[in-house]
Amino acid sequence: DAGITQSPRHKVTETGTPVTLRCHQTENHRYMYWYRQDPGHGLRLIHYSYGVKDTDKGEVSDGYSVSRSKTEDFLLTLESATSSQTSVYFCATHPGGGYEQYFGPGTRLTVT
Amino acid sequence: SQQGEEDPQALSIQEGENATMNCSYKTSINNLQWYRQNSGRGLVHLILIRSNEREKHSGRLRVTLDTSKKSSSLLITASRAADTASYFCAFQETSGSRLTFGEGTQLTVNP
Repeated sequence: DAGITQSPRHKVTETGTPVTLRCHQTENHRYMYWYRQDPGHGLRLIHYSYGVKDTDKGEVSDGYSVSRSKTEDFLLTLESATSSQTSVYFCATHPGGGYEQYFGPGTRLTVT
Repeated sequence: SQQGEEDPQALSIQEGENATMNCSYKTSINNLQWYRQNSGRGLVHLILIRSNEREKHSGRLRVTLDTSKKSSSLLITASRAADTASYFCAFQETSGSRLTFGEGTQLTVNP
């Protein structure tokens, strides 16, 4: 277990409100990722970080922003939540090189 | 990026039988990985096979990789009810550290 926690684990929010999800790791991994998981789509990459203050977009980045001010924390923000952003969000970390990723337990977000 | 494709989407077998899942991709890869996800949980890494490897074993798991066909298979032998989960392949392209995931195979092992 790579010591990855996500908070909150569950959240219900209303359309149009801002939401921030937090991922915290204790392994000092360089890379961190945010994915969303929806039925029929597997995991899709939203944004990722390759170092402090270094981030890049994934395949489904519209409507999301991220920040990484220190190695251990990676924040995902929905500036104005929409119903299409109802999903399960997973954070993952990676030490670099050809190795596996380590996943957090997920955050279930419902936008009503 | 190009998503991996997995088949079958769902597989139901009896305890003791073998389960085979397949994954295909379209790009050049550094490695291909298999993950398991129990219902309501995060993904757990099972096995990684590098592009210069053809077969790898880990306990009851056997993974093959055919880079000429851009495909991989995961075999679980002597399945158990506790193997019931979703299984995802993911490949790391040669161009970076990102993983691209398949849509997963839902395996049900009936006792």
